[in-house]
Amino acid sequence: DQQVKQNSPSLSVQEGRISILNCDYTNSMFDYFLWYKKYPAEGPTFLISISSIKDKNEDGRFTVFLNKSAKHLSLHIVPSQPGDSAVYFCAASDRGSQGNLIFGKGTKLSVKP
Amino acid sequence: EAQVTQNPRYLITVTGKKLTVTCSQNMNHEYMSWYRQDPGLGLRQIYYSMNVEVTDKGDVPEGYKVSRKEKRNFPLILESPSPNQTSLYFCASTPNRHGEQYFGPGTRLTVT
Repeated sequence: DQQVKQNSPSLSVQEGRISILNCDYTNSMFDYFLWYKKYPAEGPTFLISISSIKDKNEDGRFTVFLNKSAKHLSLHIVPSQPGDSAVYFCAASDRGSQGNLIFGKGTKLSVKP
Repeated sequence: EAQVTQNPRYLITVTGKKLTVTCSQNMNHEYMSWYRQDPGLGLRQIYYSMNVEVTDKGDVPEGYKVSRKEKRNFPLILESPSPNQTSLYFCASTPNRHGEQYFGPGTRLTVT
C-alpha cells in the first residue's frame, strides 16, 4: 500500500503558464513534506519543503501548499520554464517516529516553449 | 564542494558475480541511504545507516548488503546479483533522517 501517491505520471504545460503537481498521502502522522526534482542522468535534488504547522511555503517561483484535512499537498511553479522539465518526487516523513522518508512514484513535467 | 559520489556510474554484469557499488560523502553526515529507482515504482529505500557500524533494512533489502566502517563511506554489496536487480541506484546522505537528502549521481546496473 502506497503511503505517498502521485497519481499523475506526467504533466505537460506551456512555457509561462502555471504547473501544478499533486501529491496525496495516507499516513496522518506525516508531519514533514519535501519535493525533489530529478533530471535524466542525475540524482534527485531538493527543491522545497513544508512542515505540517504551515499550509504554504514559497521559494521564488515554487510554492508548496499543504491541506492536512485532505491529506494533500501540491507544488505550484509560476511561471513555468523549459528548464523545469524534469521528474518531480513528493516525499513525506513522520519526524516523531523511527520511520524513514517515503517517496511517491514521481510526476514527469514537460514545459513546452 | 559538498557532494555525494558513486562509482561506477554504469555497470553491466552477469548473474551471480559479486559486485560492490561505492558511495562517499564529504559533508560529515551521519545518515546515509541506498535507494533504487524503477519505472512506475519511484524511489524505494534498500538500506540505511544512522552512523558508523549502525545499519538497518529499508523497504527492499533482499539481495543486498551494506557496511558502514567509516562515516563518509557506505558501499552497497550484491553478493549474487540477479536480473531483477537491474535498476538505477542512488546513494544519499543527510544530517538527520527526516531532513533534506543529498543524492549521488546514480549507478545504472544491468544484470544479464
